[in-house]
This record gives sequence, structure tokens and C-alpha cells, in this order.
Amino acid sequence: DAGVTQSPTHLIKTRGQHVTLRCSPISGHKSVSWYQQVLGQGPQFIFQYYEKEERGRGNFPDRFSARQFPNYSSELNVNALLLGDSALYLCASSLVGTYGYSNQPQHFGDGTRLSIL
Amino acid sequence: QKEVEQNSGPLSVPEGAIASLNCTYSDRGSQSFFWYRQYSGKSPELIMSIYSNGDKEDGRFTAQLNKASQYVSLLIRDSQPSDSATYLCAVNPGSGAGSYQLTFGKGTKLSVIP
Repeated sequence: DAGVTQSPTHLIKTRGQHVTLRCSPISGHKSVSWYQQVLGQGPQFIFQYYEKEERGRGNFPDRFSARQFPNYSSELNVNALLLGDSALYLCASSLVGTYGYSNQPQHFGDGTRLSIL
Repeated sequence: QKEVEQNSGPLSVPEGAIASLNCTYSDRGSQSFFWYRQYSGKSPELIMSIYSNGDKEDGRFTAQLNKASQYVSLLIRDSQPSDSATYLCAVNPGSGAGSYQLTFGKGTKLSVIP
């Protein structure tokens, strides 16, 4: 079975530009979460989506937004890119329990490495 | 603020030895705990999950959880050079709003010396 797939693999942008990252979850997984990982740090939570609704948001500015589609795939959008946005962006999917809450493990895709020049 | 603390290492162990990786967390209500392995330039790979106090074994890996001490550890027996990676501890409150917000430590870099 296919795992979490993310596209593109690598991306180079300049300051002020906009970027869209895409994610397809594991088949049967309805929850998608996004994380940002900078070098030397653990992943930091950005968003979680379930049934097309935002269920959680980390401490990131409004330049970051996301959405989930009826097929449970998701997009992460970042506007007005800053040098500090350079990072590995990870998408994770998981099963869900009642009311969209779950303690199930999250499975990560290979990530999108974003470089801002 | 919920925090997860790990010794950044590097932790060096000889091949065949036991590697012991430790993690403490600040949110006493946390219910789900995960260990991920991350090779350089790659994404995190789930290796263990643990939810109850005590030990959980899976092959050469054993996860240990002590909720009273807010402590979780990972033991790797018969360490192999292929185990050389950064090990990330992740904590999930496990219920209610925010139950998907994994909080990660910074990771411990493990080096297994042949």
C-alpha cells in the first residue's frame, strides 16, 4: 500500500513569493497534519485537518494556511515567504476515533524541502 | 507550554551494545508516546508507540513508559551501524482538542560504531 505522498520533493523560492505544498494521505486515513522541521530541531506542528475542517493550529503566522479536500488530500499554502520559512515541510496522516480525536500514530511522508533565497 | 526534552547527543555505542535513549515531557495529562527514527535528509519513521506504563517490546526495540515520572525511554538491543540516526520522542495528549498535535523533542543523534 502507498504511504503518505508529498509533492513537490524540493522547491526553491524567493522572498515574498507564495508556495503551495500537496499531500495525499495513506488510504483510509482521514486526518492530515502538517509540520515544519528546521535543521537540528524536531518537527513543529502547523495544522491538523479532519473532514475538511481545521481541528488544530500551531503557533504560526496567518501567512500559513491549509485546506483538506473531499478525498482527504491536503494543501499547505504559505504567502509572503521569508528566509526563515526555509525548512522541511512534513505531512502526516493517521486514523481517527470518535469525534475526530485519536491517539493513533501519525505516519509521515518524505516531505518537501523548501529553500528561500 | 508543553515541552519534550531529549539529550541531543551524540550518543555513541559500539556495535552489539544496548543503546538507551531518554525523553521527559512536561504535560502530565499526556497519554500517547511515540518514537520516530530519522535518517539524515529523510523524514521521520515510526518505530514504537506506547500508551501504558511499563515496557513494550518489538524486536530489538523496547519502549518504557513511566507516567508518574513523566519519562519515556527507548532501548535498542544488539545495536547495528544501520541504527545510526536521530531518534525523536513525540508526545500526544491523546484526547480532546489538540489530540493530533504531536510535540517533538529535538532528537538524540545515535552513532553505532562498528
